[in-house]
Amino acid sequence: DAGVTQSPTHLIKTRGQHVTLRCSPISGHKSVSWYQQVLGQGPQFIFQYYEKEERGRGNFPDRFSARQFPNYSSELNVNALLLGDSALYLCASSPSGGALTYEQYFGPGTRLTVT
Amino acid sequence: GQNIDQPTEMTATEGAIVQINCTYQTSGFNGLFWYQQHAGEAPTFLSYNVLDGLEEKGRFSSFLSRSKGYSYLLLKELQMKDSASYLCAVRDLDAGKSTFGDGTTLTVKP
Repeated sequence: DAGVTQSPTHLIKTRGQHVTLRCSPISGHKSVSWYQQVLGQGPQFIFQYYEKEERGRGNFPDRFSARQFPNYSSELNVNALLLGDSALYLCASSPSGGALTYEQYFGPGTRLTVT
Repeated sequence: GQNIDQPTEMTATEGAIVQINCTYQTSGFNGLFWYQQHAGEAPTFLSYNVLDGLEEKGRFSSFLSRSKGYSYLLLKELQMKDSASYLCAVRDLDAGKSTFGDGTTLTVKP
């Protein structure tokens, strides 16, 4: 089975632009979480989606939004890009959103550079 | 909120044992993860502890004390390929959200 896939792998944008990042979870997994990882730091939680509904939101501005599709894939959108948005964006897939679930598998990430 | 502390860097010798500590203060706790992350790659799952005690998995073991807000990852028979960042993460009561420490960069020397 394929693991978590993300696209694109790398992206360069200019300040003020918007970006859409995509994630496909492991087959059969219904939950997707998004994280931002700035160089030298641990990942920071942005969103969790389960069954197409937002289940959790981290401390990020409204410029960040996401959605999950009927096939459980997900998009992360960032508007009005700032230099500080440059980071590795990670998508994590889980079988479900319940408290008994501990499995969480990360995709390879999208490296976003804002110039 | 969550606050997680782990050492920034550690160095150990090939074949040795190393213990990476993690302390946390949380407003909610639903388990603690350890991940390994090689430079430029995504984190890979190593272990999950939700009850107190030691979980062993091959060369890797993880310990949790909830009353002390403390965990450690023990790596035995170190290999050069174990050089990586090791991330401690606490899962919130909201199951999909995990708060990560900044990672411990482990360098294994010959």
